Amino acid sequence: QVQLQESGPRLVKPSETLSLTCSVSGGSMNNYYWSWIRQPPGKGLEWIGYMYYSGSTSYNPSLNSRVTISLDTSKSQFSLRLSSVTAADTAVYYCARDAYSIGYWGQGIQVTVSS
Amino acid sequence: EIVLTQSPDFQSVTPGEKVTITCRASQSIGGNLHWYQHKPNQSPKLLIKYASQPFSEVPSRFSGRGSGTEFTLTISSLEPEDAATYYCHQSSSSLRTFGQGTKVEIK
Repeated sequence: QVQLQESGPRLVKPSETLSLTCSVSGGSMNNYYWSWIRQPPGKGLEWIGYMYYSGSTSYNPSLNSRVTISLDTSKSQFSLRLSSVTAADTAVYYCARDAYSIGYWGQGIQVTVSS
Repeated sequence: EIVLTQSPDFQSVTPGEKVTITCRASQSIGGNLHWYQHKPNQSPKLLIKYASQPFSEVPSRFSGRGSGTEFTLTISSLEPEDAATYYCHQSSSSLRTFGQGTKVEIK
């Protein structure tokens, strides 16, 4: 059974960089898009972006200049970096395996941007 | 960017009633439309993939149909545990998008 687990700091200061890691177990990373999705408080799901196992990426245009997703298949992990964060980046962040539909999600990690 | 618009935004329904949620895409997405159920403090769960294919172990009361720009998710007979927010999601474009969500409340 495929499992994903997010980890990283839960509190980030404004203007700093948010960094999260997703650990994948129970399956290969090949042939999938490895994605990050977030839900700000009181709002809906927002797609952040993905990295395909081969290394190509796609990012939400509204976040494009601040987002980097990377993959380390040797460790079965992928990561999210979001720079210059503000309070608007406070959200529950989910990692997910995108096989066009998203059948596997992490449990989510609450990240708060505050000084 | 493909915009997905769901209707209604909110629905209050009596158990046993039928629920229909619509998702409209700003351009044709073929059948690349998926539906999720999201409950508070849980991760979203895939219900229907590719417009009409039930995902693993999804109760048969959930069904989907549609193609192109108009899609529907139907719950044939609402159960109390179906209280949740439902989202559509498209994978036709490399820029994935979600609908804004439809909250279903139990009366």
